[in-house]
Parts: sequence; C-alpha cells; structure tokens
Amino acid sequence: AQTVTQSQPEMSVQEAETVTLSCTYDTSENNYYLFWYKQPPSRQMILVIRQEAYKQQNATENRFSVNFQKAAKSFSLKISDSQLGDTAMYFCAFINSNSGYALNFGKGTSLLVTP
Amino acid sequence: GAGVSQSPSNKVTEKGKDVELRCDPISGHTALYWYRQSLGQGLEFLIYFQGNSAPDKSGLPSDRFSAERTGGSVSTLTIQRTQQEDSAVYLCASSSTRAEGNTIYFGEGSWLTVV
Repeated sequence: AQTVTQSQPEMSVQEAETVTLSCTYDTSENNYYLFWYKQPPSRQMILVIRQEAYKQQNATENRFSVNFQKAAKSFSLKISDSQLGDTAMYFCAFINSNSGYALNFGKGTSLLVTP
Repeated sequence: GAGVSQSPSNKVTEKGKDVELRCDPISGHTALYWYRQSLGQGLEFLIYFQGNSAPDKSGLPSDRFSAERTGGSVSTLTIQRTQQEDSAVYLCASSSTRAEGNTIYFGEGSWLTVV
C-alpha cells in the first residue's frame, strides 16, 4: 500500500516567522512526483509546490521550499516569512510516474498564522 | 472555462434521496478526477476519467455511487439513496494528461449534507 503521513495535525506560527510541515510517504516505486497543496477555508485546493523524485535539487517557489530526502522518504515544506494568508490546511501528496494517475494524499496539517 | 467549476456548491438532502454533482473541467483537459473529503480527513480518491472512459472505478465506496463523463468534458457524480455517511465535500479535479507529469487543478468542491 502507498501511504502519506503527516504527523502534525495542527501547527501555529507567528507572522513573519518560519515554519516547517512534515510529510513522509511510502512507495516501492523509484520514479514519482511529490506535491504540497494548500486548502484555505474557501475549500479551493491550490498547488503550492511540486518536486520530481529524480531531481536532487529541492524545489523552491518564493517563500515556499521543500526538503526532499529520498532515502528517508521525507518531503517537508518550509514556509518563510509567514503571512496571515498562509493560514490553511496543507496536504502532502504523491503520484507514481509509471503506474499512477491518482494523487495519494496525507490527512493534512492545519496551519494557523497569528499576528 | 478558466478553472474547474463544480455545482452545486452546497447541497442538503434527505436520507434516501438521490443527488447529482456536476463538474466542468478546464477546457482541453482530458483527465478528470473525483475525490471525497470527509470532515477532518484527507482526500479519498473515487474515480478517474481519461476522456470519457473510466479506467479505475475502484475508489467508489459502494454501488450507490456512479459517475459518467460525456463529450470528454462535463462529468456527473451520482449518489443514489443517500446515507448520512455520504456527507462530505466532493472535489473534482482535472489535468491535461496523466497526472504524474502535470499539475492537477481542483474545483472548489460540492459540500453535501445528508440529513
């Protein structure tokens, strides 16, 4: 079975600070994609960042970056200079390149950014 | 359209009634997905369409659930004889090809409440 585990159900961070959300996954495949999605109260699932497993370099999108540790099957998300608008549920997900078509999601981490 | 459009946004129905949820994917996207998100849970994969065909229906929770897609565009998810455990947000998503190489874009979901 392929699973995604987010061990932090809830987190809180002060505005302008940095926070890291954890994610581990389990797959027997070697080629896959990893994603972080953000879901604000509006329910819209928004792609935050994507990482190809064959790339060693960690993906970065503005204030968002990942720490991808393939051997450890770990894919954490770092949010720098947190903003109030970052308050949302964050979901980690992956899909196998060769055999997959559906994203496997974790249960999410609820992030609250406080003033 | 500019994004994935879902209707209705919210639906309250009586137990035992049938409901239809509609998804209009991004124009030109051949892949379409339905997910279910129960309160406090991650996203549960329901079904995947490639064009009008559904190669994998294994995520549908019971035979009360069915989905179709016509013209390679609009999809309808039908739940017959609704039960209270069907209450959830039903999210539709689309992508231009198989998801592993491309971003999946989500709609805002249809919030179903069965009373």
